[in-house]
Amino acid sequence: DIQVTQSPSSLSASVGDRVTITCRASQGISNYLAWYQQKPGKVPKLLIYGASTLESGVPSRFSGSGSGTDFTLTITSLQSEDFATYYCQKYNTALPTFGQGTKVEIK
Amino acid sequence: EVQLVQSGAEVKKPGESLKISCKGSGYTFSDYWVGWVRQRPGKGLEWMGIIYPGDSDTVYSPSLQGQVTISVDKSTTTVYLQWSSLKASDTAMYYCARPVDGPWGQGTLVTVSS
Repeated sequence: DIQVTQSPSSLSASVGDRVTITCRASQGISNYLAWYQQKPGKVPKLLIYGASTLESGVPSRFSGSGSGTDFTLTITSLQSEDFATYYCQKYNTALPTFGQGTKVEIK
Repeated sequence: EVQLVQSGAEVKKPGESLKISCKGSGYTFSDYWVGWVRQRPGKGLEWMGIIYPGDSDTVYSPSLQGQVTISVDKSTTTVYLQWSSLKASDTAMYYCARPVDGPWGQGTLVTVSS
C-alpha cells in the first residue's frame, strides 16, 4: 500500500505568517492529492484537489503544488480563521488515505 | 442540493451490535462511491471503507477488514456501517462522505462504554 506522510505534525505561527505543510507519498500518485481543513467539532472542508486546484469559495491565500510523491500546501498570509488542523489525502485508488494531520496553532 | 444525512448519536455497551446510516439525496446515488471516515477523540481522520452503490463493490481498509461491514440499500439511497460486537475503542465520530469533492455527512458520534 502507498503510505502518505505529512509534516510537521504541528506548528505555531502568527497572523500574517507564511505557512507551508508538506505531504509525501511512498510511491508516485500523479496529482491525486487533496488538502482539507478541519476546525474543532466541525466537518472537514475541502481546500484543494488535483494537488493545485482551489475549491470554489476558498480564499486565494491557500495554494497547493507538487506532483508524483511530494506535495505542499501554502498559506501565504495566515489569518485568524486559518488556525485549524490540515490533512492531505491521496485518492489515486478507490479507498483514499489521509495524512496524519498538521495542527496550526497561534504563536 | 447534494447532501448526505446521517443517523443520530448512539450510546452502546461493549459487545452490542450497531448499524448507522447515511442517506444520499440530490444526485444519482448509484453513480458515486460513498465511504466512511472514523475520527477517534483527539485523533486524525481515517478512511474505513468505501462502497459503490451501483454494484455494491466494497473496499475496506486493511486494518479494519472484518471489523465492520459496509452495505447499501439503493431503494432508499442509504449506505450503512455496521458492527456485530462493539468495543470501547470504537468510540469515535463517524462521517460518511463522497471522496474528494464531497459532500460529507454531519457525523454520527458513537460512544461505547460499560
